[in-house]
Amino acid sequence: DQQVKQNSPSLSVQEGRISILNCDYTNSMFDYFLWYKKYPAEGPTFLISISSIKDKNEDGRFTVFLNKSAKHLSLHIVPSQPGDSAVYFCAASEGAQKLVFGQGTRLTINP
Amino acid sequence: DAGVIQSPRHEVTEMGQEVTLRCKPISGHDYLFWYRQTMMRGLELLIYFNNNVPIDDSGMPEDRFSAKMPNASFSTLKIQPSEPRDSAVYFCASSPGTGYEKLFFGSGTQLSVL
Repeated sequence: DQQVKQNSPSLSVQEGRISILNCDYTNSMFDYFLWYKKYPAEGPTFLISISSIKDKNEDGRFTVFLNKSAKHLSLHIVPSQPGDSAVYFCAASEGAQKLVFGQGTRLTINP
Repeated sequence: DAGVIQSPRHEVTEMGQEVTLRCKPISGHDYLFWYRQTMMRGLELLIYFNNNVPIDDSGMPEDRFSAKMPNASFSTLKIQPSEPRDSAVYFCASSPGTGYEKLFFGSGTQLSVL
């Protein structure tokens, strides 16, 4: 009963192009969504977040889109850089309760 | 600040042995979380503490798992007896509050149970 799902285990993108990472959720009560980034041998670090009252949040090269009707969110990275190669976790919470993470997507940026 | 410190970084043990993972949270953080990362389920929350008190342990897989936080600067996650299916990366994280942007993770403990 995975409430947060990242169906693509891996994604490969050319440097300079757009990277799009997707995430689906099943719990309609989730009201806050986050993306975390993880490099090998390190713990995840916070990247960007969005509240359910918004449908878009932008921070530099990173933009998160939320489609509540489809229970879907996505992370766009433009332009992609080699340093963006990492595992990206989608996460969601309900009313500041515990954070539920997805399985992660490994992004590889090719030069 | 040194960040969240976990030890050991790697642990290899045999089935049936007791395993103890350790965590030192960031000073001043009131919340401490234990997560487990597997390929199939991603990051799963096992248990979290607020001011050293366990708040939610519903993610602890079974009675073989236990966690303690005897003081604000130390927590342990114990598995007894360990089984091969417990092999995973275990992360400790701390936070000054319930804002999840401020969740700081340690580097994790890679546990292998043979």
